[in-house]
Amino acid sequence: DAGVTQSPTHLIKTRGQHVTLRCSPISGHKSVSWYQQVLGQGPQFIFQYYEKEERGRGNFPDRFSARQFPNYSSELNVNALLLGDSALYLCASSGQGASTEAFFGQGTRLTVV
Amino acid sequence: AQTVTQSQPEMSVQEAETVTLSCTYDTSESDYYLFWYKQPPSRQMILVIRQEAYKQQNATENRFSVNFQKAAKSFSLKISDSQLGDAAMYFCAYRSGYGGSQGNLIFGKGTKLSVKP
Repeated sequence: DAGVTQSPTHLIKTRGQHVTLRCSPISGHKSVSWYQQVLGQGPQFIFQYYEKEERGRGNFPDRFSARQFPNYSSELNVNALLLGDSALYLCASSGQGASTEAFFGQGTRLTVV
Repeated sequence: AQTVTQSQPEMSVQEAETVTLSCTYDTSESDYYLFWYKQPPSRQMILVIRQEAYKQQNATENRFSVNFQKAAKSFSLKISDSQLGDAAMYFCAYRSGYGGSQGNLIFGKGTKLSVKP
């Protein structure tokens, strides 16, 4: 079975541009979460979606938005990119419940120049 | 708000030896889960071990075990018989057991583990 897949793997954008990152969860997983990992830090929670509804939002500006599609894949959108948005963006999928394991994708490395 | 603290930015261990990575957390909740994740240079986060707060018994997964001290809010990871493939960043993470925030992992800053041959 395929694991969590993210695309693209690497991306370079210019300040002020918009970016869309994509995530396909493990088959059967209905929950998708997004994390931002700045170099040298632990991942920080951005969003969680379950059954296409937002279930949680971290402390990120409104420039960050996300959605989940009927097939449970998800997109993370970032508008008006800043240099500080340069990071590894991780997607995780899981089943229902806090005890279930979160499976991570390999991430999208976003560089803003 | 819950916080997770890893006070060791870097650790080093000799191959075949044992190493312990430290983690402390702060929470007022009684229902929660604790995790150790490994992140090799390939970037993919891999679950190493999981502990339910309501379980007194420390979790064990082959060479990996934890020392869960609930009252002290401490959750250390012990790696026995260290192997070269254990070299990676290790992150301690907390997840609330309450609805609404399920799926929201709170991570520490990580410990970079080096394994010397």
